[in-house]
Amino acid sequence: RKEVEQDPGPFNVPEGATVAFNCTYSNSASQSFFWYRQDCRKEPKLLMSVYSSGNEDGRFTAQLNRASQYISLLIRDSKLSDSATYLCVTQNFGNEKLTFGTGTRLTIIP
Amino acid sequence: GAVVSQHPSRVICKSGTSVKIECRSLDFQATTMFWYRQFPKQSLMLMATSNEGSKATYEQGVEKDKFLINHASLTLSTLTVTSAHPEDSSFYICSAYAGTGSYEQYFGPGTRLTVT
Repeated sequence: RKEVEQDPGPFNVPEGATVAFNCTYSNSASQSFFWYRQDCRKEPKLLMSVYSSGNEDGRFTAQLNRASQYISLLIRDSKLSDSATYLCVTQNFGNEKLTFGTGTRLTIIP
Repeated sequence: GAVVSQHPSRVICKSGTSVKIECRSLDFQATTMFWYRQFPKQSLMLMATSNEGSKATYEQGVEKDKFLINHASLTLSTLTVTSAHPEDSSFYICSAYAGTGSYEQYFGPGTRLTVT
């Protein structure tokens, strides 16, 4: 079983729609959580950190449920530029190593 | 944000040759650098953790004699793929961690290696 699991998609969503991604992690020692986005043939870029209280950054909302070991990302009013692969990432306390999920491919359709 | 560069961005080499990839932190000192590999349609897999002035720590299944890592200064780490084979063709990405209270890792733009 992969340590961080995501639905690989692809998700094909019309522009302006709301889309949600989910992620589960198996390592209970994970302490920090992130969403990264990766464009084709490019390096991953940090989108946002994820906190237990939930956090929002513009059209993006991230939630963490430690009891269920579940992380989500919600994108509202999706734009064409949101098309990318979204990577769920965990990090253990005191260990800088990042563990990446396989990613969920999102395509926004005009 | 902080800038990390990688060189070369793309390399094609013949089977059996060695290839060196450089990772540089341009505007900060990186106590730790990480090397990842990404095959098509797969996620980033950590290969090794490189700390300045000490030996790299390799992940299980990664051959340290094949993937030589040198972190000679706080701004430079190199990965040398020795005796490359076609199955080593992949996207190699480094990241750098300043370790000054920030959790964020800064990623380089990646190096696409093709072994013919």
